[in-house]
Amino acid sequence: EIVLTQSPGTLSLSPGERATLSCRASQSVSGNYFAWYQQKPGQAPRLLISATSSRATGIPDRFSGSGSGTDFTLTISRLEPEDFAVYYCQQYGNLWTFGPGTKVEIK
Amino acid sequence: EEQLAESGGGLVQPGGSLRLSCAASGFTFSNYAMTWVRQAPGKGLEWVSGIGGGGDSTYYGDTVKGRFTVSRDNSKNTLYLQMNSLRAEDTAVYYCAKASRYSFGAFDIWGQGTVVTVSS
Repeated sequence: EIVLTQSPGTLSLSPGERATLSCRASQSVSGNYFAWYQQKPGQAPRLLISATSSRATGIPDRFSGSGSGTDFTLTISRLEPEDFAVYYCQQYGNLWTFGPGTKVEIK
Repeated sequence: EEQLAESGGGLVQPGGSLRLSCAASGFTFSNYAMTWVRQAPGKGLEWVSGIGGGGDSTYYGDTVKGRFTVSRDNSKNTLYLQMNSLRAEDTAVYYCAKASRYSFGAFDIWGQGTVVTVSS
């Protein structure tokens, strides 16, 4: 089983700032099959990024993904008020695994 | 519009059983793998089970293996999760999610979730 570790656990930032979220896998992720999700309280998760760097339909271009092997990053270039939420990474190269999440909160 | 709608959640005693359903619409159901993901109160996401588009390949997380069974009826565009020998730690919101490919993929469509509470 591939274990994912996300850092930091909580990120305190102001609107307009840049957010950088990290995710590390316990072994190399096959095919760079890696995704990021956003979840707001009381809502189902929403796919942001798949295949490491491809934005899902309707996702604004301030969200970008990068990485390879065991280290992956989600960057939000300029935080909008609606971006404060919990973000989960996921690998789907070997079944499916989620990371524990990073909460992006308003500073 | 692609949509998923779960049903079947509720309160069940430890050791009991429950069957969840997920009705799909707006896409060719049999072309995609489907999965179940759960979220315990105040916790993160946990992948529970997955099934290939044809229904012949099934996959389970370690915490539910041997107790839960995933299945699908492509003629009814419906995904199921049979949950047996339920434990308090199975209490969670259960989401069904569509994978982006026939046998695997990211989860591009999610249902609204159904709540399962295991308690005496």
